[in-house]
Amino acid sequence: DIVMTQSPDSLAVSLGERATINCKSSQSVLYSSDNKNYLTWYQQKPGQPPKLLIYWASTRESGVPDRFSGSGSGTDFTLTISSLQPEDVAVYYCQQYYSTLWTFGQGTKVEIK
Amino acid sequence: QLQLQESGPGLVKPSETLSLTCTVSGGSISSSSYYWGWIRQPPGKGLEWIGSIYYSGSTYYKPSLKSRVTISVDTSKNQFSLKLNSVTAADTAMYYCARQQYQLPHSPYYFDYWGRGTLVTVSS
Repeated sequence: DIVMTQSPDSLAVSLGERATINCKSSQSVLYSSDNKNYLTWYQQKPGQPPKLLIYWASTRESGVPDRFSGSGSGTDFTLTISSLQPEDVAVYYCQQYYSTLWTFGQGTKVEIK
Repeated sequence: QLQLQESGPGLVKPSETLSLTCTVSGGSISSSSYYWGWIRQPPGKGLEWIGSIYYSGSTYYKPSLKSRVTISVDTSKNQFSLKLNSVTAADTAMYYCARQQYQLPHSPYYFDYWGRGTLVTVSS
């Protein structure tokens, strides 16, 4: 299995400030034949299903605000919320799709400080 | 707009079989561009992929659950289903169905549309 480890488990950020979430995979999720990172990010608000935010590590899903950005390659990835808004309070998950045993990180809870 | 809706019993007894159905509306389950998956989330915990199916019936299962899981598809009803047998309290979770992007010749990718989920409790 590819183990996905997120850090921190939770963070509190002031409104308008930057939030940074890290995701590390136990092996590279960069597919050499197409030079793409098989890594996605989801947002899950309380009582709701996960929502796709970013795929291919850095491609924003349609309709997702541009304050959300993804970066990284290989085994180390970052989700950044450039200016935290009240509606961004949620748990964020990374997921790899390099392997057909699809695995998620344990989640990072983002709150308002 | 694509919608997925899970349905099935909310309470299952230990050792029995959990059976859920996902009904897809606003799109065809027979599209060549998607797999269809089941993911679960125990209360207060993270996400666990269970398995995925193509309209042709081709499947992927999580190895640790494979001996207990069957996922099937009914294209005439635009539905796919999950059966998990010999359940225990550890199978108590919110169960989600989701659409999974797919493009030959690769394996399926990420989940882009999710149902709202259905809570299944295993208890006598």
